[in-house]
Amino acid sequence: GDSVTQMEGPVTLSEEAFLTINCTYTATGYPSLFWYVQYPGEGLQLLLKATKADDKGSNKGFEATYRKETTSFHLEKGSVQVSDSAVYFCALTPNTNAGKSTFGDGTTLTVKP
Amino acid sequence: DTAVSQTPKYLVTQMGNDKSIKCEQNLGHDTMYWYKQDSKKFLKIMFSYNNKELIINETVPNRFSPKSPDKAHLNLHINSLELGDSAVYFCASSQDTGHGQPQHFGDGTRLSIL
Repeated sequence: GDSVTQMEGPVTLSEEAFLTINCTYTATGYPSLFWYVQYPGEGLQLLLKATKADDKGSNKGFEATYRKETTSFHLEKGSVQVSDSAVYFCALTPNTNAGKSTFGDGTTLTVKP
Repeated sequence: DTAVSQTPKYLVTQMGNDKSIKCEQNLGHDTMYWYKQDSKKFLKIMFSYNNKELIINETVPNRFSPKSPDKAHLNLHINSLELGDSAVYFCASSQDTGHGQPQHFGDGTRLSIL
């Protein structure tokens, strides 16, 4: 079946540091790929997405590129802020009509001033 | 005007009781979901409905029964609550089950079993 493997956390960075959270996937065909963010006490929110190979999703300074050859969708941000502290989830939705998403285990990011 | 709203936000109850969680979305979406998030933040899908029809039913104890009275509502009823049911339950919706559709999540219901 489909699977998503995320870099294990927790990750602790200083403000303005560079962020990378690795995500690799296993799926048949061409899934859609997503990053969601969960702030404390809230539900998940879509951060960015990509629906085909070489697509780059971007939002709020975060970026991720759909790499079919390495089955990866790594999340990056050039300069993190304290307000970026949250749990980040990589997810995929298969290219079928079943609608079943697979989520990674989540990576907790803490940014210190 | 909240897009996906769940009630209650907190639910504290005794083992063996029966409880329900309600979910409503005002996005006009066709598909709705229930997820369980444990204390380590792992997210597991439980059920999904598309146009009121059950399309995903993961290996969940049959004490859990979802009901979708219409496209905008998906409720979750839990019988004979157990300690292991303590978790945060999230409702979500998406436009449909098509390629590239993101999910919109509610803020969760925090269920604690005493």
